[in-house]
Amino acid sequence: GAVVSQHPSWVICKSGTSVKIECRSLDFQATTMFWYRQFPKQSLMLMATSNEGSKATYEQGVEKDKFLINHASLTLSTLTVTSAHPEDSSFYICSSPLAGGIGYEQYFGPGTRLTVT
Amino acid sequence: QKEVEQNSGPLSVPEGAIASLNCTYSDRGSQSFFWYRQYSGKSPELIMSIYSNGDQEDGRFTAQLNKASQYVSLLIRDSQPSDSATYLCAVNTLTGANNLFFGTGTRLTVIP
Repeated sequence: GAVVSQHPSWVICKSGTSVKIECRSLDFQATTMFWYRQFPKQSLMLMATSNEGSKATYEQGVEKDKFLINHASLTLSTLTVTSAHPEDSSFYICSSPLAGGIGYEQYFGPGTRLTVT
Repeated sequence: QKEVEQNSGPLSVPEGAIASLNCTYSDRGSQSFFWYRQYSGKSPELIMSIYSNGDQEDGRFTAQLNKASQYVSLLIRDSQPSDSATYLCAVNTLTGANNLFFGTGTRLTVIP
């Protein structure tokens, strides 16, 4: 399967600060990257879809000015949580469909656990 | 109506038994179906893919698809304690070209 990495794996920040999460495809070109958020004991929630070289598409209810997504290259997408608050504490996961893969199976990064104090 | 529905469980089976996980989907035009395993605190891992009616086997895992009834299932034979995890059903529908709709997951516990 394809390999997707994320950095950092966990981060603790103070309320009001911004945090950047990086997602990289290591052995394939990711033209599309999905960003998910998962609260404890809940299912994945799609936040946004980023496409290389274009603006991200946000799901209903997700503030695009708070969750900034940049997909500047075929191997890197970033999510910046701006002015983080404790309610933003969650597990953030990126995933990408393998270009040319059958059926659009998605490969997930290992996730980033964000704690806002 | 949710796109993809799963019984949240928890489902408990004894070690060595067969675990059966079920999933139904609403979009009759769906074409690709996946099962992901997610251990607590980790991200989902793809374990099975199925695209046509019938069974798809990989080791102890068998995915079953019935498009007429709009359900997909996952059987885990000879269940092991290491299989204890949440299993997510995911479906690719025509409305989202390369997006997957995920169920809420079924939590499986294999009792030693």
